[in-house]
Amino acid sequence: DAGVIQSPRHEVTEMGQEVTLRCKPISGHDYLFWYRQTMMRGLELLIYFNNNVPIDDSGMPEDRFSAKMPNASFSTLKIQPSEPRDSAVYFCASSRGLAGETQYFGPGTRLLVL
Amino acid sequence: KQEVTQIPAALSVPEGENLVLNCSFTDSAIYNLQWFRQDPGKGLTSLLLIQSSQREQTSGRLNASLDKSSGRSTLYIAASQPGDSATYLCAVYSGGGADGLTFGKGTHLIIQP
Repeated sequence: DAGVIQSPRHEVTEMGQEVTLRCKPISGHDYLFWYRQTMMRGLELLIYFNNNVPIDDSGMPEDRFSAKMPNASFSTLKIQPSEPRDSAVYFCASSRGLAGETQYFGPGTRLLVL
Repeated sequence: KQEVTQIPAALSVPEGENLVLNCSFTDSAIYNLQWFRQDPGKGLTSLLLIQSSQREQTSGRLNASLDKSSGRSTLYIAASQPGDSATYLCAVYSGGGADGLTFGKGTHLIIQP
């Protein structure tokens, strides 16, 4: 398996623009997670899905953030409109379960909003 | 709310030394604890997972211990190598969904050749 795949790897955009991050989880994994990592706050869980259904989006910072998982092999995280404080590395991860199961992380998308 | 602290934030040691990374957590009611490695510009890779009923796990030169009652875990790296240079993160799972997984901010480790 190729592991968790994310695209793009780097994104530079201007404030106010829409940003869409993409993720392909490992086949057979029932859980998908979106995280954001910054120097100040470390790694934060934004939202997670179980069998394509969003379970908990309490970590999503604002209504400007939205996430979808239309099928078992694809998920998107959208920011609209983007702001400079959204600059961070966004990770997607997948796993077979929660407790006792390892999460496998993608390489991340480094987002810079100017 | 669970809080995970890793000290030191950064560590630099000569090649060949044995070293210990520390992780502490505030709520001892955990299901498991994991140690991850993160290389620059890359995602996290799981190194070791310790269930709450276990005291330690070993993989090669790595040994992780868990003292749940005191809220502490250590990652021991034997005979360190330059390739061990990375950021090491500790994460505890306290249940209640994926938001029950709490990460520390990591220890940035540099092994000097």
